[in-house]
Formats: sequence, C-alpha cells, structure tokens
Amino acid sequence: EVQLLESGGGLVQSGGSLRLSCAASGFIFSRCVMSWVRQVPGKGLEWVSAINPSDGGTFYADSVRGRFTMSRDNSKSTLYLQMTSLRAEDTAIYYCAQHPTTGNFDSWGQGTLVLVSS
Amino acid sequence: QTVVTQEPSFSVSPGGTVTLTCGLSSGSVSTGDYPSWYQLTPGQPPRTLIYNTNTRSSGVPDRFSGSILGNKAALTITGAQADDESDYYCVLYMGSGIRMFGGGTKLTVL
Repeated sequence: EVQLLESGGGLVQSGGSLRLSCAASGFIFSRCVMSWVRQVPGKGLEWVSAINPSDGGTFYADSVRGRFTMSRDNSKSTLYLQMTSLRAEDTAIYYCAQHPTTGNFDSWGQGTLVLVSS
Repeated sequence: QTVVTQEPSFSVSPGGTVTLTCGLSSGSVSTGDYPSWYQLTPGQPPRTLIYNTNTRSSGVPDRFSGSILGNKAALTITGAQADDESDYYCVLYMGSGIRMFGGGTKLTVL
C-alpha cells in the first residue's frame, strides 16, 4: 500500500523559509515521478511542482518558480520542498502525490499546513 | 495563457447520471494530456477517482468512469448518491512537465 507522510509545515513570517518533507513507502520510490500540490483551505487545488525519478529534473508552477525548490533522496525514499521568500498567498495545505505511471498522480499524503503571516 | 476549464456547478438527482467535463480555453483535450479527476471533501485529502483518462483508482466504485468526449475530458457518475455531493477537480498535463488544475465543479445531489 502506498503511504506518503508529509512533515515540516508550520507558521512562518512573510519573507521566511520552510522545508517540507514527504516520506514515502509501499512502492518503488526511485521509479516514480512525484508532485507537490497545495490547497488553500476552503478553496481549490493548485499543482506546485514535480520531479522526475532518475534525472531529478524539476518543474514548477509560475506562482512558485524561483522561490521553491523540489528535490528527492531516492536512498531515503523522501521528497523535499524548500520554500523561500514565502508570501501570504502561499498559505495552504501542501500534499505530496505519487504518479504511478507516466501522466498524473494517484496517491496522496495527508498534507501539512503552511501558514504565512504578514 | 491556456487554462483548464470546468463547469462551476452542476446538479443531479439521486440515482441519476451526470457528466462533468474538463476542457482547455484553447484547444482540445486528448489522452496525451492524461486527464485525471479528484474529489475534494472538507477536512480530507483529495481522493483520486480517475487518473490518466480512464484508470479508476483503487477502491473507487465503477459508478465513476472517465473518458474523452469530443474535445474535452469527461467524468461520468452513474447512480448518483447523496455522498457524491462534493467538489470535483480535474488536472491536465500541459507539456514540459507542467500540470494545471481546473477551477473545480461543485456537484449538488438533489
């Protein structure tokens, strides 16, 4: 069974930084594209970033490009999201999500809440 | 910039069938966009219903199905139940590693 466990969320001031982690199990992590997706409480979903399994190539939404950096440690089956220059509009629940094959994601973690105070 | 479009709201009668769609503001949706569908319930992580056009996620009843209809992706719910009342989001692969969600459809069962 795929399990994804996010951590690292919390309260941070505007302009600050935070690093999220996502511990994965139940599948071959090193073979899967992974994504971060966020949800502003009470609002919709926004795809944030994705990372390739082997070459570590990364892709970002325009809203976070240049401020967020996604990475992975295949030896630890762990995903990371380094967030800098945080803004109030980055306040959201951040989910990591697994892509079982080429294409889009299937399994989700429980999420971690990031609150950016202005 | 091209955006992903969804009906803002839809209603269906209990036991009825409803088809929600996911389109592009410019162009057509194809299987190569890997359309996928998620149900959002307050206080819960998103629930995957369909990924990559028509693959049902584990545990999802076959009342939910995905397809391409014309120039859009479609999520069809048959035999609608009260607990299907929820928000539904689609996501498309836009190329170059980029994904984009639609604005969501609020489904009412009444």
